Amino acid sequence: AQTVTQSQPEMSVQEAETVTLSCTYDTSESDYYLFWYKQPPSRQMILVIRQEAYKQQNATENRFSVNFQKAAKSFSLKISDSQLGDAAMYFCAYLKTSYDKVIFGPGTSLSVIP
Amino acid sequence: SQTIHQWPATLVQPVGSPLSLECTVEGTSNPNLYWYRQAAGRGLQLLFYSVGIGQISSEVPQNLSASRPQDRQFILSSKKLLLSDSGFYLCAYQQLTNQPQHFGDGTRLSIL
Repeated sequence: AQTVTQSQPEMSVQEAETVTLSCTYDTSESDYYLFWYKQPPSRQMILVIRQEAYKQQNATENRFSVNFQKAAKSFSLKISDSQLGDAAMYFCAYLKTSYDKVIFGPGTSLSVIP
Repeated sequence: SQTIHQWPATLVQPVGSPLSLECTVEGTSNPNLYWYRQAAGRGLQLLFYSVGIGQISSEVPQNLSASRPQDRQFILSSKKLLLSDSGFYLCAYQQLTNQPQHFGDGTRLSIL
């Protein structure tokens, strides 16, 4: 069965600095999708970034980028120039191709220090 | 564009009372629909999902049930709420296979 692990329950970063959140997953599939979701204190779940496993190029969305290491089954999220509004719970998620259910990690709580 | 609506935003119910949470999606047809529960500071627990009208898959045995009476409507129900049903409930949809899920704003349910 597929699992998603986020080994850092809590992280903090100074405003304007860069932080990297870790995610590893376990799968025997070669074709799948990976996502990072952000959940701010309002508890709305917001899609931050997505990565297709067949693409070697790392996805980027403005200040958010990923480091996708397929062989290592690692999918970390880098937030550059951290802002106060980045403070949130971040969830890593895995979706097997043509499957109906997304597997979510347990989350990492990110604090941004002004 | 697609939108998802979930209501109510907040609900306080006594133990033993019934429950009905509603979720509707606009701007898409035949989406996959999902109900999750989230305890405070914790991850997401998938409760139910549906790939079509009348098709419900249950992930966790409990006193909750789900129904999909229309293509873009997903309802979470209970006949008698328990204290343990308290939590934050999120509805989500997936427009197409291999696409990410998109979430509603959630319902904060408190059982007294």
